[in-house]
Amino acid sequence: SAVISQKPSRDICQRGTSLTIQCQVDSQVTMMFWYRQQPGQSLTLIATANQGSEATYESGFVIDKFPISRPNLTFSTLTVSNMSPEDSSIYLCSVALAGVTDTQYFGPGTRLTVL
Amino acid sequence: RKEVEQDPGPFNVPEGATVAFNCTYSNSASQSFFWYRQDCRKEPKLLMSVYSSGNEDGRFTAQLNRASQYISLLIRDSKLSDSATYLCVVNPYGQNFVFGPGTRLSVLP
Repeated sequence: SAVISQKPSRDICQRGTSLTIQCQVDSQVTMMFWYRQQPGQSLTLIATANQGSEATYESGFVIDKFPISRPNLTFSTLTVSNMSPEDSSIYLCSVALAGVTDTQYFGPGTRLTVL
Repeated sequence: RKEVEQDPGPFNVPEGATVAFNCTYSNSASQSFFWYRQDCRKEPKLLMSVYSSGNEDGRFTAQLNRASQYISLLIRDSKLSDSATYLCVVNPYGQNFVFGPGTRLSVLP
């Protein structure tokens, strides 16, 4: 497996502001993903973070709202832009390891509350 | 129809009980299957992969029926520490993971 850290672990933000979440992995990974888990719900994939190119977004998620960066094989950021209370959620980074691409491991998540 | 469906919860069982969770998936091209466990306010953690021949890990047994597009998880001799939400996860070929809504288990003393 891999050791995955996320910053911040939680935050409370005002409507209209933006928050950038960082995900750091202790080893090089082939794929990194960003998920959202709304209260009482399961996980929904936001996008796949691609190293050196634009992220691949799932239906219902757009780059202007959730810009993603992945400058190298161990780090990615997700920004939640122009936040509204509906963005209150847990945001999770996950990775697939080289040679084990059919298994994902998750970071501890970032709990976001938008007032 | 949702891509991955699971038994509605919560399941409240006494310690030592045997409990079974069911999961169905709609994409017949799915290749990989998993059970993840998620504790309250924690991230999901891989519990076990599910293989066509069925597989067992201690008190946990997972089975896959491709013809019926059905996955199950059996927990024997339930412990208090088994209390969590169990997520059925399907990986359609060439696509990304799809998570089921989860089934919540509470093991009672």
